[in-house]
Amino acid sequence: QKEVEQDPGPLSVPEGAIVSLNCTYSNSAFQYFMWYRQYSRKGPELLMYTYSSGNKEDGRFTAQVDKSSKYISLFIRDSQPSDSATYLCAPGRSGGSYIPTFGRGTSLIVHP
Amino acid sequence: DSGVTQTPKHLITATGQRVTLRCSPRSGDLSVYWYQQSLDQGLQFLIQYYNGEERAKGNILERFSAQQFPDLHSELNLSSLELGDSALYFCASSGRVAVKAGELFFGEGSRLTVL
Repeated sequence: QKEVEQDPGPLSVPEGAIVSLNCTYSNSAFQYFMWYRQYSRKGPELLMYTYSSGNKEDGRFTAQVDKSSKYISLFIRDSQPSDSATYLCAPGRSGGSYIPTFGRGTSLIVHP
Repeated sequence: DSGVTQTPKHLITATGQRVTLRCSPRSGDLSVYWYQQSLDQGLQFLIQYYNGEERAKGNILERFSAQQFPDLHSELNLSSLELGDSALYFCASSGRVAVKAGELFFGEGSRLTVL
């Protein structure tokens, strides 16, 4: 079993739709849960993060973590064509020399 | 702009050859990570350096090596290249070792094509 699993998609939605991107992980020691966004031919960039369980909102984006089920979600409201990108989840833990582990990423296409 | 600079952006070479990829981290960042990204494997961790010293190794082949220099820039050397080494190679940096695990700043990558 991979440490972090994501459905690669692609997920195609119309503009304005609510998008749900999901990720599962196996290591219960993870405390931080990052979402990275990667546009075509670009490096990943940190979109947002949450610490432990719960929700975090940032504009049209909401990150949700359920540690009991080891399930991470990213919701995008009022999706825009500019949101078309690959979204990678990257859970991790602080301290020591832990290396961030990335999921394969989910490709999102928002069409006008 | 993440502040991480990678060169070259594109590289085409032949099997059996050797190439060097270069990375300059964000100003002040001591830690450099190298990742390989291919379509079927996603983003795979290769190696990490912290202030000039190797800190962690991932699935890095013996044909690959890296180093971090006193000015903190890093180089990834790939030798005896094979077709399967064709991929995007990313460098990332962070301020301190695992301050907030997962918070990395990526360069735009070096696209390597081996023919």
